[in-house]
This record gives sequence, C-alpha cells and structure tokens, in this order.
Amino acid sequence: DQQVKQNSPSLSVQEGRISILNCDYTNSMFDYFLWYKKYPAEGPTFLISISSIKDKNEDGRFTVFLNKSAKHLSLHIVPSQPGDSAVYFCAASAGTSGTYKYIFGTGTRLKVLA
Amino acid sequence: SQTIHQWPATLVQPVGSPLSLECTVEGTSNPNLYWYRQAAGRGLQLLFYSVGIGQISSEVPQNLSASRPQDRQFILSSKKLLLSDSGFYLCAWSRGRYEQYFGPGTRLTVT
Repeated sequence: DQQVKQNSPSLSVQEGRISILNCDYTNSMFDYFLWYKKYPAEGPTFLISISSIKDKNEDGRFTVFLNKSAKHLSLHIVPSQPGDSAVYFCAASAGTSGTYKYIFGTGTRLKVLA
Repeated sequence: SQTIHQWPATLVQPVGSPLSLECTVEGTSNPNLYWYRQAAGRGLQLLFYSVGIGQISSEVPQNLSASRPQDRQFILSSKKLLLSDSGFYLCAWSRGRYEQYFGPGTRLTVT
C-alpha cells in the first residue's frame, strides 16, 4: 500500500517558468511533510517542510502548498532554473506514531530546459 | 555544523559475501539515525531506524541487520548478500521527528 504517491514520474519545464510537483497521500494521520531534491549518485537534499497546521510555506523560489481535505501537497518552483533538474521526493510522517518515520513517494524527475 | 559521513562510496561484492556499511554523524548528540535503500528507478525505502544506542527498529524483514554501537555511529550489515541487495544505500539523521539529513550514499552492486 503506497501511502505517499507521486503520480508523475517526470516533468519538463522551460527555464524561467513555474514547475509544479504534486504529491498525494492516503493516511489522514500524516501531519508533517518534507520535500527533497536528489541528484544522481548523491544523497537527497532537504528543500522545504510544512506542518499540517499551515497550508503554505515559502522559502525563496520554493513554495509548498498543503490541501488537507484533498490529502494533496504541491511544490512550486518559480522561476525554474536548469540547476533545478533533479528527482524530487515528497515525504510524510504521522506525529502520533512516535517513531519519527517518514514515508517517501517514488519521486518525480524534473527537467528544466534552457 | 552537523555533517554525516558514509563509507565506502561504492562497493562491488559477490553473492554470499558479508557486508558492512558505516555511517557517522558529527556535530550533534543523540540523533535519530536511519538506513534507507533506493533500488534502481524506485523511491526511498526505510530499512532501519534508531532513536538511541542499541535501539534498532526494523521496517522490512530481509537479509540485512543494523547496529548502533555508539551514539553517532550506525552500521548496516549482512552475513550473506543476495543479488536483490543491490542498490543505493543512504544513511540519514534527524533531531526528533523533523527534517532528516542524508549522507552521500553507498552504491552497492552484488554480482
């Protein structure tokens, strides 16, 4: 049972435009969410987080939106740059579990075209 | 600042041989530690996590084991590797339940 889903395996965007990466989850107990960027043969790099008490969090070019009723979150990158080309993972955890475990999605490969 | 080290970076091992991957964290104390595996074209699968010395929780029953002999050291082991153990192994640490920070990873190829 895939509790965290990234249904788009890949996405291509023109440089300077907005990239929107989507993530859906099924467990209503998830209350903290993370986004990571990963280059090949490297460890993931933390980008941005959001708690379920918020519906939006911004950090520079990155904004994460959370729609709890739809169990959906999205990462917006504006403007997109060629260096943003990477695989992006979302992850979710349930605070009530007490175990600090995150469930990761399968990733979306973003390609930003110059 | 905190840093996380993993070694080796790459490893090629024959089927049936043992495995030991090491992860150490600097600049923090009593971190939560995690081992993940990323198989080719797949997401990140949590294998083990630890909230303290000697405390190991296993997420996926398999051919691997983990140990935490010291506060900032996490070791992934196997007595006999299988072909299916090939993948990219990642160690991570966190403070409580918040962001996890990953090491550079180890590429394991079992032949």
